[in-house]
Amino acid sequence: SQTIHQWPATLVQPVGSPLSLECTVEGTSNPNLYWYRQAAGRGLQLLFYSVGIGQISSEVPQNLSASRPQDRQFILSSKKLLLSDSGFYLCAWSWRGRLAYGYTFGSGTRLTVV
Amino acid sequence: DAKTTQPPSMDCAEGRAANLPCNHSTISGNEYVYWYRQIHSQGPQYIIHGLKNNETNEMASLIITEDRKSSTLILPHATLRDTAVYYCIVRGNYGGSQGNLIFGKGTKLSVKP
Repeated sequence: SQTIHQWPATLVQPVGSPLSLECTVEGTSNPNLYWYRQAAGRGLQLLFYSVGIGQISSEVPQNLSASRPQDRQFILSSKKLLLSDSGFYLCAWSWRGRLAYGYTFGSGTRLTVV
Repeated sequence: DAKTTQPPSMDCAEGRAANLPCNHSTISGNEYVYWYRQIHSQGPQYIIHGLKNNETNEMASLIITEDRKSSTLILPHATLRDTAVYYCIVRGNYGGSQGNLIFGKGTKLSVKP
């Protein structure tokens, strides 16, 4: 079976510090990978998606970047965090080429920038 | 932008059926209707999806109108653990960004004892 792992579960970081959130998927190959963010009291916003190693598409301009160094690894980064980067970050995967299937989400990382 | 319209909130008595409506009047012929839910502080959970026919699984039933412009998610016997935000999403069988799952504001379902 397929599983998705995200860590850490919670993170408190000062403004201006760097960020690295990691997501890995097990039990599948060539997945599509996604990063979403949910700011407090708001909906889920798609930040990045990837259809393969090194292939990253950004949905919104922001202070964040994403990388996919391995097939089942997706990393969300920032060089200098802003207060507005606080939120609930979710990684998800879907089957490539099987668009009728849904997404499976990780358990999320709650980031608080102070 | 989300292609669906949902009521912002609904209440349901425990043990009764919860019927959550969704309008998607601009849906295209190859677009699916997906339902997810998000329990507080957790990642969204897939519930069900359909194209034209009604669908049922162990969690819920999905009723899609014949013109496909609206649908209803039915939780047959709601429990307190079904309290969550329910998202109705239209997603096309496209490659690239057009095939991505875009969430709207959803319906906050509160199941009351």
